[in-house]
Amino acid sequence: QLQLQESGPGLVKPSETLSLTCTVSGGSISNSSYYWGWIRQPPGKGPEWIGTMYYTTNAFHIPSLKRRVTLSVDTSKNQFSLRLSSVTAADTAVYYCATFGGVFAPSLDYWGQGTLVTVSS
Amino acid sequence: EIVMTQSPATLSVSPGERATLSCRASQSVSSNLAWYQQKPGQAPRLLIYGASTRATGIPAKFSGSGSGTEFTLTISGLQSEDFAVYYCHHYNNWPQWTFGQGTTVEIK
Repeated sequence: QLQLQESGPGLVKPSETLSLTCTVSGGSISNSSYYWGWIRQPPGKGPEWIGTMYYTTNAFHIPSLKRRVTLSVDTSKNQFSLRLSSVTAADTAVYYCATFGGVFAPSLDYWGQGTLVTVSS
Repeated sequence: EIVMTQSPATLSVSPGERATLSCRASQSVSSNLAWYQQKPGQAPRLLIYGASTRATGIPAKFSGSGSGTEFTLTISGLQSEDFAVYYCHHYNNWPQWTFGQGTTVEIK
């Protein structure tokens, strides 16, 4: 069974870059039949996809974030990462890493426990 | 972007009764619709996928129905552990996946 764990700073200053890493255990991130991605959930709101990776393609789900988001994978460490630049208070949220099977394997659904990132000076 | 609209925003139900939650998509998502339950401080938990298939370990008290643009989650015999926030999520065409804004099921 896959397990995902987010890590990274819980406090980021405005205009700086938010960097989070997701460590995967119980399976290989090289399994390209899965979608690997990031979801965030602002306080009191519903979750929203930020970006996902599938095979060699990255997709960004929030057009307004596209220019600020970078997704990357480190197969040697079985990790994938999110970088969100030029953050503002609106980026304050619980950030989850997740893996999902999509339309081909919709029962495949694993989330990390989530990490609260607060943007504040 | 496909917008998922859930109703009602809050549902007050007495223990032992049934709750019916709705989710509407702004355009057809076929049966590529999931329901999640979220409790405070926890990640969402998958309940239903494919609009009507229960995920592993989910009791039969949870049932989903619908296709296209109209979906329903029914929870029968509500118990204390069922009071939570429920989200619908469509995964019809990557990367246009989106979640609804949620329905809070609270104790009446």
